[in-house]
Amino acid sequence: NAGVTQTPKFQVLKTGQSMTLQCAQDMNHNSMYWYRQDPGMGLRLIYYSASEGTTDKGEVPNGYNVSRLNKREFSLRLESAAPSQTSVYFCASSANSNQPQHFGDGTRLSIL
Amino acid sequence: GENVEQHPSTLSVQEGDSAVIKCTYSDSASNYFPWYKQELGKRPQLIIDIRSNVGEKKDQRIAVTLNKTAKHFSLHITETQPEDSAVYFCAASRSTQKLVFGQGTRLTINP
Repeated sequence: NAGVTQTPKFQVLKTGQSMTLQCAQDMNHNSMYWYRQDPGMGLRLIYYSASEGTTDKGEVPNGYNVSRLNKREFSLRLESAAPSQTSVYFCASSANSNQPQHFGDGTRLSIL
Repeated sequence: GENVEQHPSTLSVQEGDSAVIKCTYSDSASNYFPWYKQELGKRPQLIIDIRSNVGEKKDQRIAVTLNKTAKHFSLHITETQPEDSAVYFCAASRSTQKLVFGQGTRLTINP
C-alpha cells in the first residue's frame, strides 16, 4: 500500500519553463490537495479537489493550474515557472474534507 | 474563513521534560483538530487528532486538549525523547471545509 505517491522527487527548471507535478493515491480517497512549503513557513494550500470532478483555489493559487484526472490522480501544473515558485510541494489526500490528510514525500522544485 | 494561530514558533526542552504547544482558532464551527509532526526533509505525518465532542485524547506520551469555549487546543508531549525533535503543525476545520494549518513549532529536545 503506497499511500500518496509524488513524482518527480526533485526538479530544476529555468525561468519560463513549464512543468507538471504528478500525484496519485491508492486509498480510494475523495479529496486531494496541493501545498507548498517554503523555509521556515507552514503549509500553504495552492489548490484542492473535494471530490472527483471538482477543483477549488486555496490560499496561493496564482501561477498554478490543477487537473483532477480521476479519483486517484491530481496534477499540479506550472505554466511559466518563476523563481518565486522555488519550494517544496506536497500532495495530500483524505477520505473527505474533514478527515485526516495523508501526505506524499514531496517534490523539491528549484527554478533558476 | 478560519484562522489558526500557533505558539510558540520555537521550543527547546530538556530530555525527559514535558513540552506544550498551543493553537487558537477563529471559527467557532470548527470541529476537527489534527496535529502533524514533520521531521527534517520528511513528509508531515498525523500524530493525533481530536473532534469537538471530546475534551481530551491521549496516545501514550502524546495528548491533545480542546477548549471549545476559548477556541484553543494544545499538544502535550511528556517524557520527551530526542526523536521528538521536529516541527509540529496544528490545524482546524469544520465539516465539508478544508484544513487550515498553523505556522508550525520547531521543537528541540536537548540531551
